[in-house]
Amino acid sequence: QKEVEQDPGPLSVPEGAIVSLNCTYSNSAFQYFMWYRQYSRKGPELLMYTYSSGNKEDGRFTAQVDKSSKYISLFIRDSQPSDSATYLCAMNTGGFKTIFGAGTRLFVKA
Amino acid sequence: GAVVSQHPSRVICKSGTSVKIECRSLDFQATTMFWYRQFPKQSLMLMATSNEGSKATYEQGVEKDKFLINHASLTLSTLTVTSAHPEDSSFYICSANLAAGSTDTQYFGPGTRLTVL
Repeated sequence: QKEVEQDPGPLSVPEGAIVSLNCTYSNSAFQYFMWYRQYSRKGPELLMYTYSSGNKEDGRFTAQVDKSSKYISLFIRDSQPSDSATYLCAMNTGGFKTIFGAGTRLFVKA
Repeated sequence: GAVVSQHPSRVICKSGTSVKIECRSLDFQATTMFWYRQFPKQSLMLMATSNEGSKATYEQGVEKDKFLINHASLTLSTLTVTSAHPEDSSFYICSANLAAGSTDTQYFGPGTRLTVL
């Protein structure tokens, strides 16, 4: 079993839809959770960073962590074609060894 | 803040030659940097962890003598692909670890596309 599971998709949605991206994990010691966005042929960029359980909102993006279920989510409201990218979840226990999900490819159709 | 650069962004070389890729943290110091390889439509594959002033730690299956890593300063790590072959063609991405208090976050460079003819 992988430490972090993420559905690779692709996920295709119409413009304006609410997108839900998810990851599950097995290591209960993970405390720091990140979401990265990677456009084609570019390096990943950090989108959201959360600590422990709870929600964090930044513009159209909301990150949710449920440590009891070992489940994290990224919601994108009012999705735009420019949101089309691969989204990677990542997590660590507090040190530098970060485990990445496989990434979910998202397509937002105009 | 937290900007990481990579150079070159793209390189084409002949089989048998060596290629050096630089990774720099521009506005922070990074004791630890990472090198990843990514094939088309696949996720990041960690190749090695680069530690300033010491030897890199390579992941299982990655040839140390083929992928030479040097982390000579707190802002620069280099990856040299020695005697490159067409199967080494890939997208190489570095990241630099920003340690702030008890939190560690990786910031990625824009990647280097290597094509070996």
